[in-house]
Amino acid sequence: DAGITQSPRYKITETGRQVTLMCHQTWSHSYMFWYRQDLGHGLRLIYYSAAADITDKGEVPDGYVVSRSKTENFPLTLESATRSQTSVYFCASSEGAPYGYTFGSGTRLTVV
Amino acid sequence: ILNVEQSPQSLHVQEGDSTNFTCSFPSSNFYALHWYRWETAKSPEALFVMTLNGDEKKKGRISATLNTKEGYSYLYIKGSQPEDSATYLCASTEILTGGGNKLTFGTGTQLKVEL
Repeated sequence: DAGITQSPRYKITETGRQVTLMCHQTWSHSYMFWYRQDLGHGLRLIYYSAAADITDKGEVPDGYVVSRSKTENFPLTLESATRSQTSVYFCASSEGAPYGYTFGSGTRLTVV
Repeated sequence: ILNVEQSPQSLHVQEGDSTNFTCSFPSSNFYALHWYRWETAKSPEALFVMTLNGDEKKKGRISATLNTKEGYSYLYIKGSQPEDSATYLCASTEILTGGGNKLTFGTGTQLKVEL
């Protein structure tokens, strides 16, 4: 099916563990983004990517790592999860300006 | 980082009421303003992309206007229905090298329409 899919939908992990959130899109959009949703802050950009092997930091990148070896995939890794990383994470893709984003359905991550 | 603000933070209206909310954004180096509708437990869905000063967009009972000189946009909902209950997000665009666009979102206006 065409679209943008995130996995898993829900994840509970322990403090200090490494966890990877997956994002896959089928449109061959060049641009992909990771946002986190927090109460009072709305959606904040973690990392983005303009193409395979090109990534850049957003507003809140600390504690996260991304890679983009293929255009369609943009995984987000929490190297050593902390409770402050408990959040809902959204992946998005875009063809570029002036078009907006298409969002995935989100991953709810709880760090205990 | 662009500073995008939305007001009010939340709004409760009765079915049939018309309502509007505001998005303010930096007017310098403006490129585009996006509106999204975000229902609970779902992902944000695009409503409008607006680029020109004075732009007006309409989709059913929802419409939006844009003033790029003073840096604000209004979203209007005419005759609100319970299914309009959602958070409405606006986002301003920053152009990336190579033509990409990075969106900075406001914190949203949460609309609740009651019977």
